[in-house]
Amino acid sequence: QQQVKQSPQSLIVQKGGISIINCAYENTAFDYFPWYQQFPGKGPALLIAIRPDVSEKKEGRFTISFNKSAKQFSLHIMDSQPGDSATYFCAAKNYYSGAGSYQLTFGKGTKLSVIP
Amino acid sequence: EAQVTQNPRYLITVTGKKLTVTCSQNMNHEYMSWYRQDPGLGLRQIYYSMNVEVTDKGDVPEGYKVSRKEKRNFPLILESPSPNQTSLYFCASSLAGEAGLYEQYFGPGTRLTVT
Repeated sequence: QQQVKQSPQSLIVQKGGISIINCAYENTAFDYFPWYQQFPGKGPALLIAIRPDVSEKKEGRFTISFNKSAKQFSLHIMDSQPGDSATYFCAAKNYYSGAGSYQLTFGKGTKLSVIP
Repeated sequence: EAQVTQNPRYLITVTGKKLTVTCSQNMNHEYMSWYRQDPGLGLRQIYYSMNVEVTDKGDVPEGYKVSRKEKRNFPLILESPSPNQTSLYFCASSLAGEAGLYEQYFGPGTRLTVT
């Protein structure tokens, strides 16, 4: 129920190409879907996020597409650059109103390599 | 500068020797959390805290303890470390509350090796 399944595990894209990373979930209580970017030797950092009432969100070259009925969301990186080479994690949040707490569940990550 | 700091950054220890990894944030965030990152397993939450004196288990709490006596600090304690706790550990913090969880700020990580 709490899992977020991410694919592919690794991805190699040529410079200028489109990188696509997919995530799927089962828990319909998830209400916030962020993507985190992690460079080697660093902690993850928020890249872009979406709520389930929106089907797409774009920030620069990064776009999240969200399909609520299919319980899937994806990250598209347009015009991929070598500087985008990093590990990307999708995540999903659910809120426990009774406990007044929330939890963020992460996918297993995708290692993206953009080759010149 | 807004940041989450962790110490130590690297630690090699032996089985059974108690250790503490410190975490501190200067953003006045209510929510703090510990994750471990392992190859092929991604980030898994160990413990989290919604506020001072309020802590709860994440997905992989066995073998770990935490405390939240001050808002800015959230130490991770391994009472009797074992080799399967060899991992990369991250502390994170964020604003709390349903409307407040829009970004978690992560520390730089602590690489722990237990022999």
